[in-house]
Amino acid sequence: EVQLVVSGGGLVQPGGSLRLSCAASGFTFRNYWMSWVRQAPGKGLEWLANIHQDGGEKHYVDSVKGRFTVSRDNARNSFYLQMNTLRAEDTAVYYCARFLRTGLFDYWGQGALVTVSS
Amino acid sequence: DTVMTQSPATLSVSPGEGATLSCRASQSVSGFLAWYQQKPGQAPRFLIYDASTRATGVPARFSGSGSGTEFTLTISSLQSEDFAVYYCQQYDSWPWTFGQGTKVEMK
Repeated sequence: EVQLVVSGGGLVQPGGSLRLSCAASGFTFRNYWMSWVRQAPGKGLEWLANIHQDGGEKHYVDSVKGRFTVSRDNARNSFYLQMNTLRAEDTAVYYCARFLRTGLFDYWGQGALVTVSS
Repeated sequence: DTVMTQSPATLSVSPGEGATLSCRASQSVSGFLAWYQQKPGQAPRFLIYDASTRATGVPARFSGSGSGTEFTLTISSLQSEDFAVYYCQQYDSWPWTFGQGTKVEMK
């Protein structure tokens, strides 16, 4: 069974940093692209970033480019989202998802709430 | 970016009735359209891809149709577990974008 478990959410002040982790199991992690998607309170879904199987290729939505960095550790079956210079509008539930190269998100983790507030 | 617009925002349906949800793209996405279901407090669930192909394990009462800019998700006979928010997503062009969702609630 595919499982994705997100950790690392919490309360952070504007301008601060936070790192989310996503632990994967139930599939051959190194064979898949992975993604982060977020959902602001009461809002829809926003794709944020993708990372290639070997970590060598990454893509970001413009709204987080230069502030967020995605990385992975295939030996630990985990990938990460480093979030810097956080803003109030980054407040959201952050989901990790398995990404199919066609553009689909076929399995999702349970999400972690990130609140940016003073 | 391709903007996805869903309608209606909320759909009130009685159990056993059918429901039709719409999704419109701001430009053609060919058939590269997916649907996801999200229940309160849960992660989205992958339902349909390529506009009309059900993902593994998705009941046959869910069906999708459309191409280009107009798409539909139909639930033929709503079960209690189907009351949720449904999102469409285009994967024709980067960045991948989602609609704002349609909430299917019990009448």
